[in-house]
Amino acid sequence: GAVVSQHPSWVICKSGTSVKIECRSLDFQATTMFWYRQFPKQSLMLMATSNEGSKATYEQGVEKDKFLINHASLTLSTLTVTSAHPEDSSFYICSASQTGEGFETQYFGPGTRLLVL
Amino acid sequence: GNSVTQMEGPVTLSEEAFLTINCTYTATGYPSLFWYVQYPGEGLQLLLKATKADDKGSNKGFEATYRKETTSFHLEKGSVQVSDSAVYFCALSDPQAGTALIFGKGTTLSVSS
Repeated sequence: GAVVSQHPSWVICKSGTSVKIECRSLDFQATTMFWYRQFPKQSLMLMATSNEGSKATYEQGVEKDKFLINHASLTLSTLTVTSAHPEDSSFYICSASQTGEGFETQYFGPGTRLLVL
Repeated sequence: GNSVTQMEGPVTLSEEAFLTINCTYTATGYPSLFWYVQYPGEGLQLLLKATKADDKGSNKGFEATYRKETTSFHLEKGSVQVSDSAVYFCALSDPQAGTALIFGKGTTLSVSS
């Protein structure tokens, strides 16, 4: 149980285009979802926390207009990288906390690798 | 602020060797400590955790003890297997400070037969 999927797993896009990444909890309801970014040989950096039906809370230094997060249902959150540029190339990972559990317990998706040309 | 420092990798071992991956932390409150593992092509999975000082987390032969005096949470396994090859992340969570999970940089373990 407690499986989180991400789609797509790999995406290559041209500079200036927007890319949407989906994060789904497959067998549980996720009140809270988290979006992380990971650079090569670096730790996961929390970008934002989203709660179903409300606006996401962004970490300091993360541009909310650039990284649009929507958590419209208890099983789906999306991250849209708007007007992507090469410096946005990275590995994006989502996680979800099951309703009733604290946010210490997170189930992670396999990640999405974004390459902006 | 809160932070996690773990040893640089990669760590390369032969099967049945003893494993230690060092992790130290800095926290303003009383954090919970975690080890996550990421197998190739998969998402991070919780390996073990400890929520207070002197607690020992264990799972799949891995152990880590929450040492408040040395602010450490080193991961150990007595005899590694090829299937243990993965990236290991140390992390902390400090609910009183309002933090979610803060991760170390990850340590890649490669075990050969």
